[in-house]
Amino acid sequence: EVQLEQSGGGLVQPGRSLRISCTGSGFTFGDYLISWFRQAPGKGLEWVSFIRSKAYGGTIEYAASVKGRFTISRDDSKGIAYLHMISLKSEDTAVYYCSRLPSGSVAPHYAFDIWGQGTMVTVSS
Amino acid sequence: SYVLTQTPSLSVAPGQTARITCGGNNIGSKNVHWYQHQSGQAPLLVVYDDYDRPSGIPERFSGSKSGNTATLTISRVEAGDEADYYCHVWDSSTEVVFGGGTKLTVL
Repeated sequence: EVQLEQSGGGLVQPGRSLRISCTGSGFTFGDYLISWFRQAPGKGLEWVSFIRSKAYGGTIEYAASVKGRFTISRDDSKGIAYLHMISLKSEDTAVYYCSRLPSGSVAPHYAFDIWGQGTMVTVSS
Repeated sequence: SYVLTQTPSLSVAPGQTARITCGGNNIGSKNVHWYQHQSGQAPLLVVYDDYDRPSGIPERFSGSKSGNTATLTISRVEAGDEADYYCHVWDSSTEVVFGGGTKLTVL
């Protein structure tokens, strides 16, 4: 079965750091673009970051709201993508989701077809 | 950056048709995708590339575009269709853009 399994998350104090993970199975993880999204309480879905496959240089994009504080990475040998978050703020409190694009890079006709189950990150003192 | 506009909420009786709209400048030139997001669950792709359905998605879900508006139509609405629905396009090759979401309530 093709799936993404998320881990990490939890309660963290403002200004601290946290890393969350996304493990793929049932497919060749390294062939796909992996993205992170979040949904803050009472808000809509927000894109956070994505990383292209190594075949497309493994290049990375970030939403303006997290650029400079969040770092996305991938270890294709383990089939895991990470989101490392630093200098966390209360407004980063959200359920975070990882997802797969059925392509190594952006193509307008492709959409995110497999999603992780989500992991809650709460930033509070 | 590119903006997608969705009506915040929509209420439909069971068995009726729900039409969820997504507006954007020159959206006709973009490929529109739709996700269903039920509370406590992962988002689910229901329509991609304007009107294609992933395997396993019922034919009751269909997509269309006209002018500056894309529409997700859910025919014969069921209680299990109650969810938030989001449209998505790509802005250049560097940004994922979502609409604000439409909360579908089944009366």
